[in-house]
Amino acid sequence: QVQLQESGPGLVKPSETLSLNCTVSGGSISDYSWSWIRQSPGKGLEWIGNISASARTVYNPSLKSRVTMAVDPSKNQFSLNLNSVTAADTAIYYCTRDGPRGEFSHWGQGTLVTVSS
Amino acid sequence: DIQMTQSPDSLSASVGDRVTITCRASQNIWVYLNWYEQRPGKAPHLLIHSASKLQSGVPSRFSGSGSGTTFTLTINNLQPEDFATYYCQQSSSLPQTFGQGTKLEI
Repeated sequence: QVQLQESGPGLVKPSETLSLNCTVSGGSISDYSWSWIRQSPGKGLEWIGNISASARTVYNPSLKSRVTMAVDPSKNQFSLNLNSVTAADTAIYYCTRDGPRGEFSHWGQGTLVTVSS
Repeated sequence: DIQMTQSPDSLSASVGDRVTITCRASQNIWVYLNWYEQRPGKAPHLLIHSASKLQSGVPSRFSGSGSGTTFTLTINNLQPEDFATYYCQQSSSLPQTFGQGTKLEI
């Protein structure tokens, strides 16, 4: 059974970069595409973007200028960088595995990131 | 972006009841519609994909229907563990978007 686990700092200062990793276990990262999704009280669930095993990325236009995703097949990990953060980026961040029809079939437990000085 | 609107925002029901949640898309999404359940403090998990296909391991009391712009999630014989928040999500076009959620309460 595939499992995903997010990791990274829980507190980021305004204007700095939010960096998270997602480690995949129980399956190869090379067989699927992977997404980041965040959830905040104000904006609900928001898809940030996805990355394929070949490192092709697609980002939400609302965040595109600030987002970078990468994949490391040797570690079975993928990552998210979000720069120039503000309080509006405070949210629970989830990593997911994407299904063939665009569904999010597997989710990590989520990690709360707070943007505050 | 395609806007997804769920109704109602919240719903009260009892164990054993049947409930229906509606999700409407701002444009045609064919059957690219997925449903998720989220329990408090937990990540969402996939219930139904492609409007009506039950995800493996999901109880058969859950069902989905619809196409185009209007979709429904029905839960028969509500169980205590079903009291949660439900979200729809369209995967017809990027960016993928979610409904605002429907909270199912006892």
